[in-house]
Amino acid sequence: DVKVTQSSRYLVKRTGEKVFLECVQDMDHENMFWYRQDPGLGLRLIYFSYDVKMKEKGDIPEGYSVSREKKERFSLILESASTNQTSMYLCATTGASGTYEQYFGPGTRLTVT
Amino acid sequence: RKEVEQDPGPFNVPEGATVAFNCTYSNSASQSFFWYRQDCRKEPKLLMSVYSSGNEDGRFTAQLNRASQYISLLIRDSKLSDSATYLCVVNENNFNKFYFGSGTKLNVKP
Repeated sequence: DVKVTQSSRYLVKRTGEKVFLECVQDMDHENMFWYRQDPGLGLRLIYFSYDVKMKEKGDIPEGYSVSREKKERFSLILESASTNQTSMYLCATTGASGTYEQYFGPGTRLTVT
Repeated sequence: RKEVEQDPGPFNVPEGATVAFNCTYSNSASQSFFWYRQDCRKEPKLLMSVYSSGNEDGRFTAQLNRASQYISLLIRDSKLSDSATYLCVVNENNFNKFYFGSGTKLNVKP
């Protein structure tokens, strides 16, 4: 079974803080994704990475950056947290080319006050 | 117009009932289709992939209608444990082209 873990289940940060969310997968998958999920809006892609040090912007990259220094680890960084970044953040991974089934981590519920 | 649309529900059904959800997609270039299940405050989990004309797994059947651009999920003999939100996901065979529906909520009652 694919295992995707995220560093925190719940996080509370103050406006202006720098926030790091980390995701680790144990299946040697190439592709990793960061989404946020908000009621009524579904999942929206922030960034994805298809290899170490490679990244592409998703639909809503503003206010976020990412880092992928090792294949198994994909970090999402909020440079200066704002209240509109309060959300559920989900990391996902897919396997070898030709398969588009995504496996999600347990999510981090971030509250910015 | 949203890329993927689902009826948000909730669908309230008794145990043992058969229930069906539809999901419409707008882009005819879509190639891969999935149903995910999401429990309250948990992550989405892959329920079924729908790659061709349909797929069946126990009590669950997924169908794809390319002409009308929708996929469906049929659940037979509903269980209390089927209560969840069901997300439709569509992909254009491109890793930055996943489109998620907002989900359909199912409540199965005793």
